[in-house]
Amino acid sequence: DAKTTQPPSMDCAEGRAANLPCNHSTISGNEYVYWYRQIHSQGPQYIIHGLKNNETNEMASLIITEDRKSSTLILPHATLRDTAVYYCIVRVISGNQFYFGTGTSLTVIP
Amino acid sequence: DTEVTQTPKHLVMGMTNKKSLKCEQHMGHRAMYWYKQKAKKPPELMFVYSYEKLSINESVPSRFSPECPNSSLLNLHLHALQPEDSALYLCASSEVGRGGSRGTQYFGPGTRLLVL
Repeated sequence: DAKTTQPPSMDCAEGRAANLPCNHSTISGNEYVYWYRQIHSQGPQYIIHGLKNNETNEMASLIITEDRKSSTLILPHATLRDTAVYYCIVRVISGNQFYFGTGTSLTVIP
Repeated sequence: DTEVTQTPKHLVMGMTNKKSLKCEQHMGHRAMYWYKQKAKKPPELMFVYSYEKLSINESVPSRFSPECPNSSLLNLHLHALQPEDSALYLCASSEVGRGGSRGTQYFGPGTRLLVL
């Protein structure tokens, strides 16, 4: 199963872009990258997913490198409500399950 | 509607009690999941149900007994738990598929369990 590596913590100034990196060097060609976040003691919230191309939705943008070994989640204008733990997950191709890595704790500073 | 509901929100039980956690979704998803999350740790997968059949059991002790009575409901029966089983228990659902949008899991708010 492909594993992910993320920095344990990051700070970002309110109103600035938050760029959260993730390494997934063992990802297989048909495995998707998903990003979720978890605000304190709530259930994880889906943010975005991608396979090869960069993706954007109303919450964030996902940039995947050409070799697919890493990706970056971009929150374009971070707010205090974006303070959360962000998880990068590679979906195992043989089934439905997710295996969470340790995640990045993002703190947005006023 | 992308809502997964879980009841109860909080549960306190003794080590000799029997209790159940419930999870419900009405998105037509045929895959449902139980996760356990200890404080300051990521969620850990416990069980996966696919088309109401148990497809994955991540070596979970038998004091946790899952049940999927129909495509909308998922239960977790608890018996003779230990204090170290205290955690946030999360339920999730998704379509059965191999990736992309079909692989997106939607999580409930969780049940916070305390075993005394």
